[in-house]
Amino acid sequence: RKEVEQDPGPFNVPEGATVAFNCTYSNSASQSFFWYRQDCRKEPKLLMSVYSSGNEDGRFTAQLNRASQYISLLIRDSKLSDSATYLCVVGSNTGGFKTIFGAGTRLFVKA
Amino acid sequence: SAVISQKPSRDICQRGTSLTIQCQVDSQVTMMFWYRQQPGQSLTLIATANQGSEATYESGFVIDKFPISRPNLTFSTLTVSNMSPEDSSIYLCSVQRGPNTEAFFGQGTRLTVV
Repeated sequence: RKEVEQDPGPFNVPEGATVAFNCTYSNSASQSFFWYRQDCRKEPKLLMSVYSSGNEDGRFTAQLNRASQYISLLIRDSKLSDSATYLCVVGSNTGGFKTIFGAGTRLFVKA
Repeated sequence: SAVISQKPSRDICQRGTSLTIQCQVDSQVTMMFWYRQQPGQSLTLIATANQGSEATYESGFVIDKFPISRPNLTFSTLTVSNMSPEDSSIYLCSVQRGPNTEAFFGQGTRLTVV
């Protein structure tokens, strides 16, 4: 079982749609949770951190369910510029600190 | 934040040769990592580059194949040795200012081995 699992997609949505991505992680001792965005042929960049209380940044909402070891990202009112790969990322300190990246979910937003 | 300069951005190399990738950070950072990303795949951690000591390698990666240097807190190199076509990938350096903090990445090195 992979440490961080995501639906690879692709998700093809029209502009203005709402889209949700899910992610599960295997290490119950994981300490930090993030969503990163990676554009084609570019390096990953932080989109937002994910807190137990959930957090929102404009059109983006992230939620964490520690009991189910589940992370989600909701994008409202999708824009063409949201087209990218979204990486679920988990930080764990088991046997030394590591940042584990999911394989990513591809999103295509169409006009 | 951290600004990372990674060189080269791409290279095409003959099998059996070696390539050294450099990563320069604009400020001192404790945690520096090297990743590999195959097309359409997730980032796989190769090793943690430790300043002043030997790197810590992940399962499946060995020092003889991927020697790493970390002479100070702003610079590291990764060498891909005795390359084969299977080493064709994107290699990324990353830094974090502490555990559970944001990871910053270099622009990546796109390596093709022919």
